[in-house]
Amino acid sequence: EDKVVQSPLSLVVHEGDTVTLNCSYEVTNFRSLLWYKQEKKAPTFLFMLTSSGIEKKSGRLSSILDKKELSSILNITATQTGDSAIYLCAFGGTGNQFYFGTGTSLTVIP
Amino acid sequence: NAGVTQTPKFQVLKTGQSMTLQCAQDMNHEYMSWYRQDPGMGLRLIHYSVGAGITDQGEVPNGYNVSRSTTEDFPLRLLSAAPSQTSVYFCASSYLRVFMNTEAFFGQGTRLTVV
Repeated sequence: EDKVVQSPLSLVVHEGDTVTLNCSYEVTNFRSLLWYKQEKKAPTFLFMLTSSGIEKKSGRLSSILDKKELSSILNITATQTGDSAIYLCAFGGTGNQFYFGTGTSLTVIP
Repeated sequence: NAGVTQTPKFQVLKTGQSMTLQCAQDMNHEYMSWYRQDPGMGLRLIHYSVGAGITDQGEVPNGYNVSRSTTEDFPLRLLSAAPSQTSVYFCASSYLRVFMNTEAFFGQGTRLTVV
């Protein structure tokens, strides 16, 4: 059965800290790994990774995929209170179906 | 450009009632889908559609029906509401490409409570 596991489930840090969120997957028809940020409402897209070892960056956020280890990490440097959210990872299978992990809840304290 | 629009935002139903959650997108996306989000369970796929007239089941389809008569609209019907269907429902849409995934855009969600 295809599944996505995220760790940790929740994390509390202080502003300025660096955090690393983990996502591991077991899938049969892997096409891509996606990261989303969910604040109070809809998830918003952060990154899509399809090739192993290539880092995607957007400001203080970056992500890398390790296809050999079937995992991905999301790094956030110099965290701010606005980074507080649930971070979801999902793998994309055939036909654009996405399978989501349970998410990591990040709280950044001033 | 409205993106993905879901209505209603909140709904309370009694057990056994039926209702339809509406979803519309204006991005001409081929692919539309419905997810439910429960605490500790992440987002789970209910039904999806790859184009008008074509729908298929996801991970948790029981108790739900969908139809796709137009590219823009993808309503989700609860046939006979049960307390286990209390959840937050998200509609999402994306372009469909044969050999690659594309980013999914989500609606703002519908919080449904079944009492």
